[in-house]
Amino acid sequence: EDQVTQSPEALRLQEGESSSLNCSYTVSGLRGLFWYRQDPGKGPEFLFTLYSAGEEKEKERLKATLTKKESFLHITAPKPEDSATYLCAVEGYGQNFVFGPGTRLSVLP
Amino acid sequence: SAVISQKPSRDICQRGTSLTIQCQVDSQVTMMFWYRQQPGQSLTLIATANQGSEATYESGFVIDKFPISRPNLTFSTLTVSNMSPEDSSIYLCSVEIDSTEAFFGQGTRLTVV
Repeated sequence: EDQVTQSPEALRLQEGESSSLNCSYTVSGLRGLFWYRQDPGKGPEFLFTLYSAGEEKEKERLKATLTKKESFLHITAPKPEDSATYLCAVEGYGQNFVFGPGTRLSVLP
Repeated sequence: SAVISQKPSRDICQRGTSLTIQCQVDSQVTMMFWYRQQPGQSLTLIATANQGSEATYESGFVIDKFPISRPNLTFSTLTVSNMSPEDSSIYLCSVEIDSTEAFFGQGTRLTVV
Protein backbone atom coordinates (compact mmCIF):
# COMPACT_ATOMS: atom_id res chain seq x y z
CA GLU A 1 0.00 0.00 0.00
CA ASP A 2 1.33 3.42 -0.95
CA GLN A 3 2.16 5.62 2.03
CA VAL A 4 3.48 9.10 2.69
CA THR A 5 4.74 10.43 5.99
CA GLN A 6 6.05 13.88 6.73
CA SER A 7 8.26 15.16 9.51
CA PRO A 8 8.32 17.12 11.62
CA GLU A 9 4.61 17.59 12.23
CA ALA A 10 5.25 21.20 13.18
CA LEU A 11 8.33 23.39 12.99
CA ARG A 12 9.08 26.78 14.47
CA LEU A 13 11.98 28.76 13.03
CA GLN A 14 13.40 32.16 13.64
CA GLU A 15 13.59 34.38 10.60
CA GLY A 16 16.77 33.52 8.73
CA GLU A 17 17.15 30.10 10.37
CA SER A 18 17.41 27.56 7.54
CA SER A 19 15.96 24.07 7.89
CA SER A 20 14.55 21.09 5.98
CA LEU A 21 11.22 19.31 5.85
CA ASN A 22 11.09 15.59 5.16
CA CYS A 23 8.66 13.55 3.09
CA SER A 24 9.14 9.78 3.22
CA TYR A 25 7.21 7.58 0.85
CA THR A 26 6.60 4.03 -0.24
CA VAL A 27 4.96 3.62 -3.59
CA SER A 28 4.70 0.90 -6.19
CA GLY A 29 6.16 2.83 -9.05
CA LEU A 30 6.51 6.58 -8.74
CA ARG A 31 4.87 8.75 -11.35
CA GLY A 32 5.69 11.94 -9.48
CA LEU A 33 6.19 13.55 -6.09
CA PHE A 34 4.54 16.88 -5.48
CA TRP A 35 5.15 19.64 -2.95
CA TYR A 36 2.42 22.13 -2.12
CA ARG A 37 2.10 25.06 0.21
CA GLN A 38 -1.23 25.66 1.90
CA ASP A 39 -2.28 28.78 3.76
CA PRO A 40 -5.24 28.71 6.16
CA GLY A 41 -8.55 28.93 4.32
CA LYS A 42 -6.97 28.43 0.91
CA GLY A 43 -6.33 25.54 -1.40
CA PRO A 44 -2.87 24.09 -1.95
CA GLU A 45 -0.47 26.15 -4.00
CA PHE A 46 1.69 24.05 -6.24
CA LEU A 47 5.44 24.33 -5.62
CA PHE A 48 7.33 21.50 -7.32
CA THR A 49 7.02 18.18 -9.08
CA LEU A 50 9.90 15.72 -8.92
CA TYR A 51 9.97 12.64 -11.10
CA SER A 52 13.18 10.75 -10.51
CA ALA A 53 15.81 10.20 -7.83
CA GLY A 54 18.54 12.81 -7.91
CA GLU A 55 16.28 15.49 -9.28
CA GLU A 56 16.36 18.93 -7.64
CA LYS A 57 14.23 22.00 -8.16
CA GLU A 58 14.49 25.50 -6.72
CA LYS A 59 12.16 28.41 -6.32
CA GLU A 60 13.20 31.48 -4.37
CA ARG A 61 14.11 30.29 -0.85
CA LEU A 62 12.87 26.74 -1.45
CA LYS A 63 14.73 23.77 -2.86
CA ALA A 64 13.25 20.30 -3.27
CA THR A 65 15.28 17.13 -3.65
CA LEU A 66 14.29 13.53 -4.28
CA THR A 67 15.74 10.12 -3.48
CA LYS A 68 14.21 6.71 -3.96
CA LYS A 69 12.66 6.82 -0.50
CA GLU A 70 12.25 10.43 0.48
CA SER A 71 12.13 14.04 -0.53
CA PHE A 72 13.40 17.09 1.29
CA LEU A 73 12.14 20.63 1.09
CA HIS A 74 14.98 22.90 2.12
CA ILE A 75 14.11 26.39 3.24
CA THR A 76 16.98 28.85 3.21
CA ALA A 77 16.83 32.01 5.33
CA PRO A 78 13.05 31.81 5.77
CA LYS A 79 10.85 34.84 6.26
CA PRO A 80 7.58 35.11 8.22
CA GLU A 81 5.64 34.98 4.95
CA ASP A 82 6.93 31.44 4.45
CA SER A 83 4.73 30.34 7.35
CA ALA A 84 2.25 27.77 6.02
CA THR A 85 1.54 24.09 5.91
CA TYR A 86 3.71 22.24 3.42
CA LEU A 87 2.15 19.16 1.88
CA CYS A 88 3.84 16.34 0.06
CA ALA A 89 1.95 13.97 -2.23
CA VAL A 90 2.93 11.05 -4.43
CA GLU A 91 1.26 9.69 -7.49
CA GLY A 92 1.98 6.03 -8.09
CA TYR A 93 1.18 3.68 -10.90
CA GLY A 94 -0.86 1.45 -8.61
CA GLN A 95 -2.88 4.18 -6.93
CA ASN A 96 -3.88 7.73 -7.53
CA PHE A 97 -2.81 10.42 -5.13
CA VAL A 98 -1.57 9.87 -1.61
CA PHE A 99 -1.03 12.96 0.47
CA GLY A 100 1.12 13.25 3.55
CA PRO A 101 -0.25 14.87 6.70
CA GLY A 102 1.76 18.04 6.15
CA THR A 103 4.29 20.03 8.15
CA ARG A 104 3.07 23.24 9.80
CA LEU A 105 5.84 25.78 9.52
CA SER A 106 5.92 28.94 11.61
CA VAL A 107 8.64 31.52 10.98
CA LEU A 108 8.96 34.06 13.74
CA PRO A 109 10.26 37.58 13.06
CA SER B 1 -8.96 14.61 11.28
CA ALA B 2 -11.21 13.52 8.44
CA VAL B 3 -11.47 10.40 6.32
CA ILE B 4 -12.66 10.93 2.78
CA SER B 5 -14.15 8.26 0.60
CA GLN B 6 -14.17 9.12 -3.09
CA LYS B 7 -15.94 7.04 -5.73
CA PRO B 8 -15.29 5.78 -8.30
CA SER B 9 -11.53 5.37 -7.98
CA ARG B 10 -11.21 5.14 -11.74
CA ASP B 11 -13.38 4.96 -14.82
CA ILE B 12 -13.10 4.82 -18.57
CA CYS B 13 -15.86 6.74 -20.30
CA GLN B 14 -17.02 7.39 -23.81
CA ARG B 15 -16.82 10.95 -25.11
CA GLY B 16 -20.08 12.82 -24.89
CA THR B 17 -21.18 11.05 -21.73
CA SER B 18 -21.15 12.34 -18.15
CA LEU B 19 -19.62 10.96 -14.96
CA THR B 20 -20.58 11.84 -11.41
CA ILE B 21 -17.91 11.56 -8.75
CA GLN B 22 -18.93 11.21 -5.13
CA CYS B 23 -17.09 12.45 -2.06
CA GLN B 24 -18.16 11.27 1.39
CA VAL B 25 -16.57 12.61 4.57
CA ASP B 26 -16.76 10.95 7.96
CA SER B 27 -17.38 14.24 9.76
CA GLN B 28 -19.27 17.45 9.10
CA VAL B 29 -17.22 20.02 7.23
CA THR B 30 -18.06 23.45 5.95
CA MET B 31 -15.74 23.76 3.02
CA MET B 32 -15.20 21.12 0.35
CA PHE B 33 -13.02 21.57 -2.68
CA TRP B 34 -12.81 19.86 -6.04
CA TYR B 35 -9.48 19.72 -7.87
CA ARG B 36 -8.20 18.41 -11.16
CA GLN B 37 -4.74 17.16 -11.92
CA GLN B 38 -4.09 16.65 -15.60
CA PRO B 39 -1.16 14.51 -16.71
CA GLY B 40 2.10 16.27 -15.98
CA GLN B 41 0.42 19.32 -14.53
CA SER B 42 -0.19 20.64 -11.06
CA LEU B 43 -3.31 20.49 -8.96
CA THR B 44 -5.92 22.94 -10.22
CA LEU B 45 -8.86 24.08 -8.15
CA ILE B 46 -12.16 23.63 -9.99
CA ALA B 47 -14.57 24.96 -7.40
CA THR B 48 -15.33 25.42 -3.75
CA ALA B 49 -18.54 23.85 -2.48
CA ASN B 50 -20.10 25.11 0.73
CA GLN B 51 -23.27 23.56 2.04
CA GLY B 52 -26.33 25.70 1.50
CA SER B 53 -24.88 27.90 -1.21
CA GLU B 54 -23.95 27.78 -4.85
CA ALA B 55 -20.50 26.43 -5.63
CA THR B 56 -17.86 29.01 -6.46
CA TYR B 57 -16.00 28.21 -9.67
CA GLU B 58 -12.48 29.19 -10.55
CA SER B 59 -11.57 30.90 -13.78
CA GLY B 60 -11.83 28.48 -16.67
CA PHE B 61 -14.43 26.24 -15.06
CA VAL B 62 -18.19 26.63 -15.50
CA ILE B 63 -21.22 25.12 -13.83
CA ASP B 64 -22.64 23.68 -17.04
CA LYS B 65 -19.51 21.59 -17.54
CA PHE B 66 -18.82 20.73 -13.88
CA PRO B 67 -22.08 20.84 -11.92
CA ILE B 68 -21.57 20.33 -8.20
CA SER B 69 -24.01 19.29 -5.51
CA ARG B 70 -23.53 19.79 -1.78
CA PRO B 71 -26.70 18.51 -0.14
CA ASN B 72 -25.29 18.27 3.38
CA LEU B 73 -22.16 18.77 5.46
CA THR B 74 -20.70 15.33 4.74
CA PHE B 75 -21.29 14.78 1.04
CA SER B 76 -20.65 16.34 -2.35
CA THR B 77 -20.69 15.31 -5.99
CA LEU B 78 -18.88 16.63 -9.03
CA THR B 79 -20.22 15.80 -12.48
CA VAL B 80 -18.01 16.00 -15.53
CA SER B 81 -20.47 16.63 -18.35
CA ASN B 82 -20.29 15.99 -22.08
CA MET B 83 -16.81 14.57 -21.68
CA SER B 84 -14.01 14.85 -24.19
CA PRO B 85 -10.52 13.31 -24.11
CA GLU B 86 -9.22 16.62 -22.71
CA ASP B 87 -11.17 15.88 -19.54
CA SER B 88 -8.99 12.84 -18.86
CA SER B 89 -7.47 13.64 -15.51
CA ILE B 90 -7.41 12.81 -11.84
CA TYR B 91 -10.19 14.53 -9.92
CA LEU B 92 -9.67 15.07 -6.21
CA CYS B 93 -12.01 16.00 -3.42
CA SER B 94 -10.64 17.86 -0.43
CA VAL B 95 -12.01 19.18 2.83
CA GLU B 96 -10.76 21.72 5.29
CA ILE B 97 -11.01 21.41 9.05
CA ASP B 98 -11.00 24.56 11.17
CA SER B 99 -9.40 26.46 8.29
CA THR B 100 -6.06 24.91 9.18
CA GLU B 101 -5.93 21.30 8.03
CA ALA B 102 -6.71 19.90 4.63
CA PHE B 103 -7.54 16.30 3.82
CA PHE B 104 -7.74 14.72 0.42
CA GLY B 105 -9.54 11.80 -1.10
CA GLN B 106 -7.60 9.28 -3.13
CA GLY B 107 -8.87 10.73 -6.34
CA THR B 108 -10.79 9.51 -9.37
CA ARG B 109 -8.71 8.67 -12.41
CA LEU B 110 -10.87 9.45 -15.43
CA THR B 111 -10.00 8.36 -18.95
CA VAL B 112 -12.19 9.57 -21.78
CA VAL B 113 -11.98 7.63 -25.03
